[in-house]
Amino acid sequence: AQKITQTQPGMFVQEKEAVTLDCTYDTSDPSYGLFWYKQPSSGEMIFLIYQGSYDQQNATEGRYSLNFQKARKSANLVISASQLGDSAMYFCAMREGVRGSSASKIIFGSGTRLSIRP
Amino acid sequence: DTGVSQDPRHKITKRGQNVTFRCDPISEHNRLYWYRQTLGQGPEFLTYFQNEAQLEKSRLLSDRFSAERPKGSFSTLEIQRTEQGDSAMYLCASSLVNAETNYGYTFGSGTRLTVV
Repeated sequence: AQKITQTQPGMFVQEKEAVTLDCTYDTSDPSYGLFWYKQPSSGEMIFLIYQGSYDQQNATEGRYSLNFQKARKSANLVISASQLGDSAMYFCAMREGVRGSSASKIIFGSGTRLSIRP
Repeated sequence: DTGVSQDPRHKITKRGQNVTFRCDPISEHNRLYWYRQTLGQGPEFLTYFQNEAQLEKSRLLSDRFSAERPKGSFSTLEIQRTEQGDSAMYLCASSLVNAETNYGYTFGSGTRLTVV
């Protein structure tokens, strides 16, 4: 069964510093996708970044990058040059299968609350 | 298309009452998902549809919960005989299968249920 673990319930970071949010996962399916979502206090889930299990390079999207270490089954999110607006809950998520009918539901970790200090 | 819409945004109900939530997905999306999220936790999967067919239901979905997507467009989630433990945010999401799915799902803003 697929499982996502986020061990950091909360983090405080100084503005403009980089921050790494940890995520480990477990699956027996060789084909899977990993996601990070941001959930501000307003409640909406905002997609940030995606990494496929067969992707050769780590995913990057602007200030977000995903440190994908397949052998360790980890998919840490790195936010460079943090901003006050980055304060939110961050969820790591996984889907077995990649696309089409083989793609299963996305399951989420318990989240990390990130607080950026001015 | 303005994204995934959920109605109502907030619902307060007395214990034992029935409630129904509605989700309107992005029009071309053929998959629709329901999740439940309690405070400080990640969303928990409840059920999902591909077109009008309900393909999977979580063990979390007791017999008091029922979901429908009658025409493969909007969906409803009904909770009968609500309990205080049902208080949560109910999130709906949609996606397009057999297309590029790197973006995961598009989520609605959720319906916050409070059972008093």
